[in-house]
Amino acid sequence: GQSLEQPSEVTAVEGAIVQINCTYQTSGFYGLSWYQQHDGGAPTFLSYNALDGLEETGRFSSFLSRSDSYGYLLLQELQMKDSASYFCALSSNTGKLIFGQGTTLQVKP
Amino acid sequence: ETGVTQTPRHLVMGMTNKKSLKCEQHLGHNAMYWYKQSAKKPLELMFVYSLEERVENNSVPSRFSPECPNSSHLFLHLHTLQPEDSALYLCASSQDDRGLGKTQYFGPGTRLLVL
Repeated sequence: GQSLEQPSEVTAVEGAIVQINCTYQTSGFYGLSWYQQHDGGAPTFLSYNALDGLEETGRFSSFLSRSDSYGYLLLQELQMKDSASYFCALSSNTGKLIFGQGTTLQVKP
Repeated sequence: ETGVTQTPRHLVMGMTNKKSLKCEQHLGHNAMYWYKQSAKKPLELMFVYSLEERVENNSVPSRFSPECPNSSHLFLHLHTLQPEDSALYLCASSQDDRGLGKTQYFGPGTRLLVL
């Protein structure tokens, strides 16, 4: 089967750096995506990793290690507006996205 | 603006009612999805349409009936729902390239309450 694990909650202060980890299990791997969802809003795409290494997009970076079945989302210079839920999602050879349970990030002043 | 719209945004219905949720995508994508999101739970994939054909039905009860008349429109017909069906129903679209980087674009969702 396919499954993902990520922490349920993370708290950090404004201006800090936070890392949200995601481990996965799958028989056919194509890529790992990250989505952000603000309370009451729609999930929005943040990043996608198909190969090992770091992908950087502004304050957000995403890392993948296929040998470890592990990835993380790194958020730098945290802002209050970054308070949201963050989902990792697996693209596999079944042709669909499998979402993790989501990590609620709370940014405090 | 994500290019995916959903109506209505909020819906309250009784268990004996029949209603429909509508989704429209303006991105030229060829795949569309229905997800259910309950409080404190991950997104649950309900249905997938690729090139207007249903390719996935994740053991969804028959009281949920999808319809995809063309690649831009997707409906979810609801009848005799249960209170536990109350949730946020999200529509998404993507360009189906056989699993390579399937970035999905989500609509704002319909918040459904079944009384």
